[in-house]
Amino acid sequence: TQLLEQSPQFLSIQEGENLTVYCNSSSVFSSLQWYRQEPGEGPVLLVTVVTGGEVKKLKRLTFQFGDARKDSSLHITAAQPGDTGLYLCAGPLASGTYKYIFGTGTRLKVLA
Amino acid sequence: NAGVTQTPKFQVLKTGQSMTLQCAQDMNHEYMSWYRQDPGMGLRLIHYSVGAGITDQGEVPNGYNVSRSTTEDFPLRLLSAAPSQTSVYFCASSYGQPSSYNSPLHFGNGTRLTVT
Repeated sequence: TQLLEQSPQFLSIQEGENLTVYCNSSSVFSSLQWYRQEPGEGPVLLVTVVTGGEVKKLKRLTFQFGDARKDSSLHITAAQPGDTGLYLCAGPLASGTYKYIFGTGTRLKVLA
Repeated sequence: NAGVTQTPKFQVLKTGQSMTLQCAQDMNHEYMSWYRQDPGMGLRLIHYSVGAGITDQGEVPNGYNVSRSTTEDFPLRLLSAAPSQTSVYFCASSYGQPSSYNSPLHFGNGTRLTVT
């Protein structure tokens, strides 16, 4: 059982559509990070959210941390083919720990 | 600026063989970790280290050993390979706690291991 569950697991959409990816846990996280991974490469950090209810924007990507700090979402507006990749949420297993875990991942494909 | 370097990129082993996956970083990072990536399961933490001489187990440590004799290197050893260890392995490092704003995880490009 993984502590960070992501949904959906796969998503294939047309260019210009909007989408939301969810990251859920039954545990409280002191912070959550979102990464994007492209084929043949390691994940790259997109954003860190720390405060419950926090919203961060990165161009067309909007990240939100749940009020109870047990969940997070990533919303992409007007998706482009360049957004294609594997999106992963991640966070420390317990506050102050170096044991850092990843979610199950959402594989996004944006068709031109 | 090499960052995190993993070798080899690909490896095929027979069941029962042993091998070491190499990981080196040139950023003077204290924290290093190993993950395995399997379809539908994201990345799972195998072992991690917060500094030279200090290692600890992650979520899936069985069948793997690590050591950290220097800040730069963090090798992962498979003592007796099994087909269940077929996966893509990633090494990652960060200056401090990877959940901190100013301490993002830096990843290598992975080692694809097949055990037959």
